[in-house]
Amino acid sequence: GESVGLHLPTLSVQEGDNSIINCAYSNSASDYFIWYKQESGKGPQFIIDIRSNMDKRQGQRVTVLLNKTVKHLSLQIAATQPGDSAVYFCAEKRDDYKLSFGAGTTVTVRA
Amino acid sequence: EPEVTQTPSHQVTQMGQEVILRCVPISNHLYFYWYRQILGQKVEFLVSFYNNEISEKSEIFDDQFSVERPDGSNFTLKIRSTKLEDSAMYFCASSEGFEQFFGPGTRLTVL
Repeated sequence: GESVGLHLPTLSVQEGDNSIINCAYSNSASDYFIWYKQESGKGPQFIIDIRSNMDKRQGQRVTVLLNKTVKHLSLQIAATQPGDSAVYFCAEKRDDYKLSFGAGTTVTVRA
Repeated sequence: EPEVTQTPSHQVTQMGQEVILRCVPISNHLYFYWYRQILGQKVEFLVSFYNNEISEKSEIFDDQFSVERPDGSNFTLKIRSTKLEDSAMYFCASSEGFEQFFGPGTRLTVL
């Protein structure tokens, strides 16, 4: 069955506000997680990753939080911009290099 | 910045025909993958390839599918006898380590 999933399929955000996208996973053996952004007609684009020995990682305007106790992953986007409108996927790696993707959250930024 | 490229961007074929989807991974990467995404659904793993052989494949990757690295730069996915349900976006990805870089995809339409 599906082991990676997102809590909400859509998220509407006012430009300038912060966005939080959530993801739940069920396989406690997963050791690496990635957030991808997919714009219409394009392939998934790497945003940020985190290993299971960490609980937080920051990038440029993005932060990923990992809570292994409840198997929860989140992506925070600061000061959301129109260019952030896309579908966001979380993905997990369990053993080798295969990635298992969640269903995706569509983020729409309102001007 | 190096990127994964894929050709063609769109392939239309008749059911039962063979198709070959082509990918040029990033040049110093050693791991190669194919994923597919049916319209509106999540990205699904098909196969991973390393050291000139398949390292893992999913249930989707049945006998109708094959992959090949015919030379030092190309990585191909062949579907021998296409079915209607093979219609999807097919993404190639490559990696040096954990982080996978995706190509823009080939949209396969089977009529």
